[in-house]
Amino acid sequence: NAGVMQNPRHLVRRRGQEARLRCSPMKGHSHVYWYRQLPEEGLKFMVYLQKENIIDESGMPKERFSAEFPKEGPSILRIQQVVRGDSAAYFCASSPPSTYTDTQYFGPGTRLTVL
Amino acid sequence: KQEVTQIPAALSVPEGENLVLNCSFTDSAIYNLQWFRQDPGKGLTSLLLIQSSQREQTSGRLNASLDKSSGRSTLYIAASQPGDSATYLCAVGSTGANSKLTFGKGITLSVRP
Repeated sequence: NAGVMQNPRHLVRRRGQEARLRCSPMKGHSHVYWYRQLPEEGLKFMVYLQKENIIDESGMPKERFSAEFPKEGPSILRIQQVVRGDSAAYFCASSPPSTYTDTQYFGPGTRLTVL
Repeated sequence: KQEVTQIPAALSVPEGENLVLNCSFTDSAIYNLQWFRQDPGKGLTSLLLIQSSQREQTSGRLNASLDKSSGRSTLYIAASQPGDSATYLCAVGSTGANSKLTFGKGITLSVRP
């Protein structure tokens, strides 16, 4: 059973471009979470999704950021018109339906650098 | 708003020492608490999960305790090894199963041979 997969692992964008980060949860997991780790900061929650639904987006910046988890395919975190302050490591985590376990399993992260 | 604090930010110990990593949180109404390990440039590995109804969990040389009333958790590492060198993160789940986690900034541990 492969772990949580994220791609790309490293992404470089120029200011004003769009960044698309992908997350494939573990097999059988229907819950996906995105977290951001800024330099010298702890991980901060961004958004929690289930298939085709956003459950909690209380940590998402109001502008330029969006997330989806379609019925088929990976979850996507999209950042439009990136700025230098968006440079960070973005981690995806997944968990199975709540009757099984509360543990969140994390992917290796995507390190975004904005030039 | 839940806040999680881990002090000190960094710790260096000689190999073989038993050590305790501390975590404190401001809102005692938590659902669970997890300890993670993060190696440089890598993702997070879950070490131990303690439900709010539990007092401690053990895995190998690791033991995590939880005191909800005082808002504290400790991660005890026995007989530390250089391979234990990493950043240890404490995270609190506050609202139930599958809830978001609130993280501390972590403690970077260095175990000297």
